[in-house]
Amino acid sequence: KAGVTQTPRYLIKTRGQQVTLSCSPISGHRSVSWYQQTPGQGLQFLFEYFSETQRNKGNFPGRFSGRQFSNSRSEMNVSTLELGDSALYLCASRLAGGETQYFGPGTRLLVL
Amino acid sequence: SQQGEEDPQALSIQEGENATMNCSYKTSINNLQWYRQNSGRGLVHLILIRSNEREKHSGRLRVTLDTSKKSSSLLITASRAADTASYFCATQSGGGADGLTFGKGTHLIIQP
Repeated sequence: KAGVTQTPRYLIKTRGQQVTLSCSPISGHRSVSWYQQTPGQGLQFLFEYFSETQRNKGNFPGRFSGRQFSNSRSEMNVSTLELGDSALYLCASRLAGGETQYFGPGTRLLVL
Repeated sequence: SQQGEEDPQALSIQEGENATMNCSYKTSINNLQWYRQNSGRGLVHLILIRSNEREKHSGRLRVTLDTSKKSSSLLITASRAADTASYFCATQSGGGADGLTFGKGTHLIIQP
């Protein structure tokens, strides 16, 4: 099976812009989670989607949002970008009821 | 917020030696997982230990869990240059819908 894929892999934006990142989970996985990784804060949970519904959300401002489509693919959107949003954004998928999360290679976002 | 705290933050050993990393956490958990990350890329799942387990093995990996001390250790035996990476512990609480809470990681360097 193909692994979790994320697009784009690298992105450069300027402050105030918005960005959309995409994640395709492993075939058969209906749960998709998003994480932000920065040198200062480490890995932090953003949100999790299951069957097109957000099941849980981390402690991030409303500028961070996401959605999941009927084919389980997920997108996350960050509006009004700030310099501090520069990070590696990781997507992970898992089977319904599964405990192990499988991560994609990440999208590295640089905000100038 | 960070729950797991890895110790040490960095570790440098000779190839062939054993490497031990420790992780402490704060709240009750369902399971604890260890992940490896190479050079800011995606996370690779290594091993999962449930809260009712005390020790688990997978190849050259040995994980222990002490829920009374809220701590875990990861032992990598007979280290190889390819083991050079950052290692993170992650805890999962709640009913499974909660995201993973990661520690800040241990950067392991294997000297050839």
